Amino acid sequence: QVQLVESGGGLVKPGGSLRLSCAGSGFTFSDSYMTWIRQAPGKGLEWISYISSHATTTYYADSVKGRFTISRDNAKNSLYLQMNDLRVEDAAVYYCAREGGAAADFYFDLWGQGALVTVSS
Amino acid sequence: DIQMTQSPSSLSASVGDRVTITCRASQNIASFLNWYQQHPGKAPRLLIYTTSNLEPGVPSRFSGSGSGTDFTLTISSLQPEDFSTYYCQQSYNNPPTFGQGTKLEIK
Repeated sequence: QVQLVESGGGLVKPGGSLRLSCAGSGFTFSDSYMTWIRQAPGKGLEWISYISSHATTTYYADSVKGRFTISRDNAKNSLYLQMNDLRVEDAAVYYCAREGGAAADFYFDLWGQGALVTVSS
Repeated sequence: DIQMTQSPSSLSASVGDRVTITCRASQNIASFLNWYQQHPGKAPRLLIYTTSNLEPGVPSRFSGSGSGTDFTLTISSLQPEDFSTYYCQQSYNNPPTFGQGTKLEIK
């Protein structure tokens, strides 16, 4: 079954850290370009980070640059998002997603179920 | 960043209706426009990529058109499962950006 499954969400205090994981299965994860996208409660979608298939290229949204780090382990078919210095405005459902098409086509054809991150004191 | 603006923000329609949702980009994005459907509490689902290419498994009642700055998503005959929120997204450049969403509700 082709799927992405996120884990690692939870409640964290402002200034704290959290690491999200995303496990891929049913497709060749090591050939896939991957992305994190978030959605604040009741709001729209915000792209936040991208990583190429062999981690040679990463991109970040300005809103998370310097605080979040995307990484992957192709041997484990896994994608990660290390989130540091979390702010109240980072509270959202975080989705991992696979890039469709060729490299850096920036559209997303497979999504995980989402991981809820709550930032509150 | 390229701003994406959808209209309307919400829409009421009936089963069997034909509906059109519009998306406008703040600059020319050629044909690099994608559409997603999101049901409450669920992840988004890719419907159409690069303006008019239907993702496998998506019913043919969905279609997309446009170029440059103006794009449309059309549902030819609404089915009960189509009542949802729809997002456009530009993939012309980095960062990819989404419209604010259009909520399609049952009349």
